[in-house]
Amino acid sequence: GQNIDQPTEMTATEGAIVQINCTYQTSGFNGLFWYQQHAGEAPTFLSYNVLDGLEEKGRFSSFLSRSKGYSYLLLKELQMKDSASYLCAPVSGAGSYQLTFGKGTKLSVIP
Amino acid sequence: DTGVSQDPRHKITKRGQNVTFRCDPISEHNRLYWYRQTLGQGPEFLTYFQNEAQLEKSRLLSDRFSAERPKGSFSTLEIQRTEQGDSAMYLCASSPPQGRTIEQFFGPGTRLTVL
Repeated sequence: GQNIDQPTEMTATEGAIVQINCTYQTSGFNGLFWYQQHAGEAPTFLSYNVLDGLEEKGRFSSFLSRSKGYSYLLLKELQMKDSASYLCAPVSGAGSYQLTFGKGTKLSVIP
Repeated sequence: DTGVSQDPRHKITKRGQNVTFRCDPISEHNRLYWYRQTLGQGPEFLTYFQNEAQLEKSRLLSDRFSAERPKGSFSTLEIQRTEQGDSAMYLCASSPPQGRTIEQFFGPGTRLTVL
């Protein structure tokens, strides 16, 4: 089975840095995705980690520790448009690579 | 716009009616997924197609739900005898053949409201 835990809500100030944590327990682990989802819209891809360590992509970075079942998404130089839900999704199954999403963290960026 | 399209974008129906949704994936993507998302939750996996073959189905997919992908291109999701609990956003995602990225590209979704 899958068990994914991430904070429900976070608030941060424009221009600041925020870290969104995700812990998971999953079978057949094949990496972990982070998706961004604005209200009423579809999820959009942010990052994919399959090996331990930090992956940096512009203002967004994602970290994975497979042994600890832990990942985080780091957002730098926050902008108002970053207000959205951030979904942690471990990948399971060698065949389908289906995603199991957490409930998501709703991030509010304030001036 | 990821290139995955879904139709309709919104559907309002009365309890007990049947509804059908369509998904057109990115053309070279042979993998296609259906997810369901309710308010305040992350998307939940429903079913997976590789080409025209339906290879995985979630326990969430009751016998009122059926999905097809007859020619390995577009897919349809039908819900028979809809119930109020079926109200949700139905998301389709596609992914290229194994060996390339396993990233899933999501369509805009179909929002179903069952009255």
